[in-house]
Amino acid sequence: QSALTQPASVSGSPGQSITISCTGTSSDVGGYNYVSWYQQHPGKAPKLMIYEVSNRPSGVPDRFSGSKSGNTASLTISGLQAEDEADYYCSSYTSSSTRYVFGTGTKVTVL
Amino acid sequence: QVQLQESGPGLVKPSQTLSLTCTVSGGSISSGGYYWSWIRQHPGKGLEWIGYIYYSGSTYYNPSLKSRVTISVDTSKNQFSLKLSSVTAADTAVYYCAREALDVEMATYYFDYWGQGTLVTVSS
Repeated sequence: QSALTQPASVSGSPGQSITISCTGTSSDVGGYNYVSWYQQHPGKAPKLMIYEVSNRPSGVPDRFSGSKSGNTASLTISGLQAEDEADYYCSSYTSSSTRYVFGTGTKVTVL
Repeated sequence: QVQLQESGPGLVKPSQTLSLTCTVSGGSISSGGYYWSWIRQHPGKGLEWIGYIYYSGSTYYNPSLKSRVTISVDTSKNQFSLKLSSVTAADTAVYYCAREALDVEMATYYFDYWGQGTLVTVSS
């Protein structure tokens, strides 16, 4: 099972919007609505930001939104803030025996 | 507030067995409703799911590690543990324990609570 494909880096200025893509296959992202997104600051544990494609856990700002089209899921951060600078990972259920697959990770830089 | 805390040796010799424990507070493992997972992150790399255990003791492992992994649960201590045998330098990573909520006994495939992680280095 290969990792889901994410861009290595995405950057934006404060207040701008950025979108991170997560590309898989019909066996994972495209076939199921079990895509989640995690934010990870350096030296910290991942934090759940989005689950089931577009749902936000309690406490996550509504600046974070998720969507999916075909085999590609996306995380959009609107009104980018300095504290959003972190690594972001997508994850999906996969019908392969691996069951869970993560993305390659994207470093978000706030200029 | 649920909290997870990993513990165990930070240094393991090649060919030996890596052993870690995750202590859960703020909730009972034996209440059911959750899968308890181990996930690792190689230095500077992405995340890799290792396996999970249910409070009943049922497990599911990543096929790529299955031959070397054992996950167990001790509900009396509210802990679950990871053993990874025959380790090599490739097993050097930060190991996280994490919780996956179930929805009417069905997996939800996302992890809502994580431990802070513990770095395990495999070296002689």
